Amino acid sequence: EAQVTQNPRYLITVTGKKLTVTCSQNMNHEYMSWYRQDPGLGLRQIYYSMNVEVTDKGDVPEGYKVSRKEKRNFPLILESPSPNQTSLYFCASSFGSVAQYFGPGTRLTVL
Amino acid sequence: EDQVTQSPEALRLQEGESSSLNCSYTVSGLRGLFWYRQDPGKGPEFLFTLYSAGEEKEKERLKATLTKKESFLHITAPKPEDSATYLCAVQGTGNQFYFGTGTSLTVIP
Repeated sequence: EAQVTQNPRYLITVTGKKLTVTCSQNMNHEYMSWYRQDPGLGLRQIYYSMNVEVTDKGDVPEGYKVSRKEKRNFPLILESPSPNQTSLYFCASSFGSVAQYFGPGTRLTVL
Repeated sequence: EDQVTQSPEALRLQEGESSSLNCSYTVSGLRGLFWYRQDPGKGPEFLFTLYSAGEEKEKERLKATLTKKESFLHITAPKPEDSATYLCAVQGTGNQFYFGTGTSLTVIP
């Protein structure tokens, strides 16, 4: 089954404790992306990757890091999380300018 | 700056009452306009991609149209299972995607 998986689905952590949210897709897509979704602000792109070893900043990259060492995986790293990073996070993948397939989401709370 | 605005924010319809959702956009060189459906607690689900003005796509009770400045998602004779948030997004000449804040649709039996 074609899918994008994210782990964990739910995470509660404390300020400053480094964390990683994993994202994996099994569709051989070149393009992968991370979004955060906040009430009233919609989906905002954090980082995206056109292919292995190629990453670029989206609209809201501050406080986040990504890496793309393999085509199927695109982890999101929060080196020192802060409460304003409490949000619902989605990973997505696609072949270029066509439909993006979204993961199920990761709900992150930073205390 | 690339931007997407959706209206209305919320829409309540009686079952069978047709209506349209609007997506206005400004983008430098449109590469694609996308419609998604999002159910509570889930990731967006792809509906349509439109690439050029005049293009139309249909799927069941939904029909998406595109002009040079806006897109419409027409819902014909909606059913309660069509209740969801509908998201519009664009991709310009860069590689970023820009999303609107969505229209929350409720269809009352």
